[in-house]
Amino acid sequence: DQQVKQNSPSLSVQEGRISILNCDYTNSMFDYFLWYKKYPAEGPTFLISISSIKDKNEDGRFTVFLNKSAKHLSLHIVPSQPGDSAVYFCAASGMGRDDKIIFGKGTRLHILP
Amino acid sequence: EAGVTQFPSHSVIEKGQTVTLRCDPISGHDNLYWYRRVMGKEIKFLLHFVKESKQDESGMPNNRFLAERTGGTYSTLKVQPAELEDSGVYFCASSLTGGPRQYFGPGTRLTVT
Repeated sequence: DQQVKQNSPSLSVQEGRISILNCDYTNSMFDYFLWYKKYPAEGPTFLISISSIKDKNEDGRFTVFLNKSAKHLSLHIVPSQPGDSAVYFCAASGMGRDDKIIFGKGTRLHILP
Repeated sequence: EAGVTQFPSHSVIEKGQTVTLRCDPISGHDNLYWYRRVMGKEIKFLLHFVKESKQDESGMPNNRFLAERTGGTYSTLKVQPAELEDSGVYFCASSLTGGPRQYFGPGTRLTVT
């Protein structure tokens, strides 16, 4: 039973345009949400996070939006660049500092020239 | 600063054999985590060490898996005897203060034939 769902296995976006990656979750007890980025043959690397008490967090070209009532979050990348081509994992964590991360299956983003 | 390292990068073994994976966390990181990604599925939590103690081992699939972290530095994950369904990529991650923002290693790809 997946608690974090990424329903789009892949997404193709033209370079320079906006990439929007979506994620849904089922557990209302999650209090921290993250996006990790993964290149082939490497481990996931932290990209951006958001606390459940906020609805938006921005870091350069990356913005994460959280809609708690809909249990939905999204990652916006603008403008998209070739180096953004990777697999993006949505993740969530429950209460407590040492809690484990619950990952989605990932969305493969292709940035087209 | 060196990142999280894992050894070996790839292991191919036969069903019934034993394999030991090793993880060296970032120096000084008390928190060490093991995760596994079976092909096409999400990255799943296995367990969490704080120094040499197991904080949470709720994700360990069965008693064929044994994780240790003697001395609170590097960790090993032993699979004995290996089964076909154990194939996947095993990631190790570490963090200084705990919590969901973790630093991942490149993973060990385990293939059981």
